[in-house]
Amino acid sequence: NAGVTQTPKFRILKIGQSMTLQCTQDMNHNYMYWYRQDPGMGLKLIYYSVGAGITDKGEVPNGYNVSRSTTEDFPLRLELAAPSQTSVYFCASSQGTLGYTFGSGTRLTVV
Amino acid sequence: GQQVMQIPQYQHVQEGEDFTTYCNSSTTLSNIQWYKQRPGGHPVFLIQLVKSGEVKKQKRLTFQFEKKKKNSSLHITATQTTDVGTYFCAGNLGGYQKVTFGTGTKLQVIP
Repeated sequence: NAGVTQTPKFRILKIGQSMTLQCTQDMNHNYMYWYRQDPGMGLKLIYYSVGAGITDKGEVPNGYNVSRSTTEDFPLRLELAAPSQTSVYFCASSQGTLGYTFGSGTRLTVV
Repeated sequence: GQQVMQIPQYQHVQEGEDFTTYCNSSTTLSNIQWYKQRPGGHPVFLIQLVKSGEVKKQKRLTFQFEKKKKNSSLHITATQTTDVGTYFCAGNLGGYQKVTFGTGTKLQVIP
């Protein structure tokens, strides 16, 4: 049981490039989330999904897109990367009212 | 929008001293969760409190959810170096399982 798996662990992007951060969970959780965490700061919700085919914006969605075609996968797409998107990205999942299980994160630098 | 603040932002304690972090919400919460994030790591779920006035213990950690369900606290008795990290509360207004993370309290334990 791997929990929540994120790839890649590290990435350096040039301004204007695009990439997809992968997230998959094997716990059959309905809810999935993407957060970003800037250095020394808290977690800000980018997008979330309550089930396959359903996604919704969090507090900082601009510059990102998501899709949820299966229960297991919740990729995050960055279009036209900007330095302001330099951050650590965490994917998480939960079932019902239970606590979140987080992946180990993707450390992204945009130069 | 919903605000969840934590105080203090930083705390340095001598090993063996007690530590408390406080979580304050601008609105009444349906439940509150606590997470620990080790340096360079990802948040790990510790506990969830649901009932008004609820108190839960995990070994040296005591969690409280005050009666009005706007405030919560985490108290660590006799800190150890393994307690080092950032402690986040996360408040849920209800409905979909989408929480707002607090600003976090970074704990440093001096041996």
